[in-house]
Amino acid sequence: AQSVTQLGSHVSVSEGALVLLRCNYSSSVPPYLFWYVQYPNQGLQLLLKYTSAATLVKGINGFEAEFKKSETSFHLTKPSAHMSDAAEYFCAVSRRDDKIIFGKGTRLHILP
Amino acid sequence: DAGVTQSPTHLIKTRGQQVTLRCSPKSGHDTVSWYQQALGQGPQFIFQYYEEEERQRGNFPDRFSGHQFPNYSSELNVNALLLGDSALYLCASSLPHGTDTQYFGPGTRLTVL
Repeated sequence: AQSVTQLGSHVSVSEGALVLLRCNYSSSVPPYLFWYVQYPNQGLQLLLKYTSAATLVKGINGFEAEFKKSETSFHLTKPSAHMSDAAEYFCAVSRRDDKIIFGKGTRLHILP
Repeated sequence: DAGVTQSPTHLIKTRGQQVTLRCSPKSGHDTVSWYQQALGQGPQFIFQYYEEEERQRGNFPDRFSGHQFPNYSSELNVNALLLGDSALYLCASSLPHGTDTQYFGPGTRLTVL
């Protein structure tokens, strides 16, 4: 069975600091991995996805994630946090033609 | 180009009632998936419709049913509502293959009293 674990339900960083949101996955077959962002009272927006091409994936709004098979990780990073990055972030895993399994989410707080 | 739309935005029902939620997919998409997002949790997959048939189903009871119309729009029906059904219900549309990007609507907030 596939699963996703997001470490830290809340993460706080100062504006301008590095953002690091952690995600570990479990999958019996090569996975497809996603990061979604959810702003208050809105649906989910795809930040980036990994589908077995390059292990370093660049997404929108300056975010990127690196697929590390040996560590079963897919951590999300951004070099410099902006106040507008405050939101809920979800890591998700899927197999080809299968449903998407989401983690429980990490709420990112940006401190001025 | 309209994205995924859902109606209504908010809904309040009482226990035992039935509810129907609606979703119109993004233009060009023919696959619709439904998710339930309880407060403080990640979305949980309910089911997916393609070519007017349920293609996959998550771990939800038969009280949850759906339908897809020839124009690819979809409905989610929940019967015999329970307090625990209170959640944000998200609809996502995509092309048929699971690895294609799923585009989410803003959701319908269902409150069961």
